[in-house]
Amino acid sequence: GAVVSQHPSWVICKSGTSVKIECRSLDFQATTMFWYRQFPKQSLMLMATSNEGSKATYEQGVEKDKFLINHASLTLSTLTVTSAHPEDSSFYICSAREPIGTNSNQPQHFGDGTRLSIL
Amino acid sequence: SQQGEEDPQALSIQEGENATMNCSYKTSINNLQWYRQNSGRGLVHLILIRSNEREKHSGRLRVTLDTSKKSSSLLITASRAADTASYFCATASLGLSRQLTFGSGTQLTVLP
Repeated sequence: GAVVSQHPSWVICKSGTSVKIECRSLDFQATTMFWYRQFPKQSLMLMATSNEGSKATYEQGVEKDKFLINHASLTLSTLTVTSAHPEDSSFYICSAREPIGTNSNQPQHFGDGTRLSIL
Repeated sequence: SQQGEEDPQALSIQEGENATMNCSYKTSINNLQWYRQNSGRGLVHLILIRSNEREKHSGRLRVTLDTSKKSSSLLITASRAADTASYFCATASLGLSRQLTFGSGTQLTVLP
């Protein structure tokens, strides 16, 4: 089945550091990728939709200058948390969906997530 | 934003018993999906049911969808300790992006 690889799986860094998280679709081309944030014992909240070759679409309340998204190729999207602070500590998960094509019902394939801890 | 609610929030059963989780949503959907998440891991897709389908089976999983009530249920039969995880329903929007909106999740614990 389709595989999405997310890296790194765990980051611990000092306040003020910028952190980049990569999301790769390994065996399919993903024109659209999604970034989610999840707090402990809570559900996933969509942060932004990443479209290959164009600007990401951010959900209400998500600062685009804080969470920079780049989707430069059909297999890679990156999320950079700029000048991270302790309140940015969370579990970040990406997902990718195969092109809709003739089947408009496709599941999303999720990476294993990145646990970000800002000291 | 989260539009779905799931109940129960937590469910604890004995191995071999069936587990039923319910999900409600608010807007029209293209499809509804169920995912499983082990602690500290990403989500694993379990099953997708289209808006024009009412019931779907996959192994020990049975999903129902009632679009008139905007609700869905996930039944896991003959549960195993390895089924212990969080289960989320997610609705796919009608738009081209097919964004997913997740429910609040059910934490299932299967006791050996």
